[in-house]
Amino acid sequence: ELKVEQNPLFLSMQEGKNYTIYCNYSTTSDRLYWYRQDPGKSLESLFVLLSNGAVKQEGRLMASLDTKARLSTLHITAAVHDLSATYFCAVDIRPGGGADGLTFGKGTHLIIQP
Amino acid sequence: DAGVTQSPTHLIKTRGQQVTLRCSPISGHKSVSWYQQVLGQGPQFIFQYYEKEERGRGNFPDRFSARQFPNYSSELNVNALLLGDSALYLCASSLESSYNSPLHFGNGTRLTVT
Repeated sequence: ELKVEQNPLFLSMQEGKNYTIYCNYSTTSDRLYWYRQDPGKSLESLFVLLSNGAVKQEGRLMASLDTKARLSTLHITAAVHDLSATYFCAVDIRPGGGADGLTFGKGTHLIIQP
Repeated sequence: DAGVTQSPTHLIKTRGQQVTLRCSPISGHKSVSWYQQVLGQGPQFIFQYYEKEERGRGNFPDRFSARQFPNYSSELNVNALLLGDSALYLCASSLESSYNSPLHFGNGTRLTVT
């Protein structure tokens, strides 16, 4: 059974600081996704990582994937309050896609304080 | 273009009742997936449909069923509701049933079972 673990689950940080969220998973996969969810809202796709060594950046967020270590990271640079949200990683083990859906981590609840 | 739309947005039901949730995918998207998100947890995969056929099923009891219509919209049915079925039910669509088609989530239906 695929397990996806995120840490930390809760993170309170100050504006301007840097931090990293980690996503470990238990079964070989080279397809990993990051989503953002604001309170009471749906999930917004942030990054799609489809190969070992993949790195994607958007604004103050950067995501990477190491399939050998079964690890993805979401790095936040010079955090701003608008980045406060819950961040989920999700792993796809569907052979060729389409069968078993995504397996999500429990999410990292991020609060950025002025 | 309209995103994924779900109805109703909120629903209150009593234990033992049945409920039907509806989802309209983004225009042109042929794949629809359903996820259950319990408060404080990541979404959990329930079903995926592609071209009106079930392509995957998560670890949910037979009380949960779904279907996809010729226009690619979808319904999720839950029979004999339990208190534990209270959750946010998310529908997601993608262009195709493959790993490089990221999921686009709707705003969800908040189901409360009393």
